[in-house]
Amino acid sequence: DAGITQSPRHKVTETGTPVTLRCHQTENHRYMYWYRQDPGHGLRLIHYSYGVKDTDKGEVSDGYSVSRSKTEDFLLTLESATSSQTSVYFCAISHDMETQYFGPGTRLLVL
Amino acid sequence: KQEVTQIPAALSVPEGENLVLNCSFTDSAIYNLQWFRQDPGKGLTSLLLIQSSQREQTSGRLNASLDKSSGRSTLYIAASQPGDSATYLCAVTNTGNQFYFGTGTSLTVIP
Repeated sequence: DAGITQSPRHKVTETGTPVTLRCHQTENHRYMYWYRQDPGHGLRLIHYSYGVKDTDKGEVSDGYSVSRSKTEDFLLTLESATSSQTSVYFCAISHDMETQYFGPGTRLLVL
Repeated sequence: KQEVTQIPAALSVPEGENLVLNCSFTDSAIYNLQWFRQDPGKGLTSLLLIQSSQREQTSGRLNASLDKSSGRSTLYIAASQPGDSATYLCAVTNTGNQFYFGTGTSLTVIP
């Protein structure tokens, strides 16, 4: 399995608070992605990165920001969490923008 | 915007049966198509990747085909086993960094 970890694995927070999720890889892959998975919607891309400090928006980027200061870390921040951001968040990595390897996911509940 | 559909949403078969899962997409200008497996509460595991120039890929009991012109892919599972029970997702990427996922087919193989 590709070396991808996500932290925290579970989080409960309140509406309006900031939340940061971390994705860490040990594979030195160039591309990193953040997805959210919701019933009836499948996985939807939030943001992705194609290198250190190089990021771009995905399909559902509103309310989220990302940062990548090192190859191995990709952070997803919810500036002010809302109940609609309750979801399971997955990080993925890719060496060549083809095969993607996924992390174990983070379950976020916003009350 | 690319739309990916997987039918049926759920499938239940007796052990030993051969089965086909379907994936369709609206924009045929894809770069590649990937099939994933997801076990409950887990991340996604890549099964097969088909480049846009390829017609099929095989791995063990799995065979994936791609008909780009009609916007369809199938995942064939031979001699199904209870351990094959999982949700199967397909994803396509256009020329770029965007990946689009279907909502998956939940497969149950009955012993």
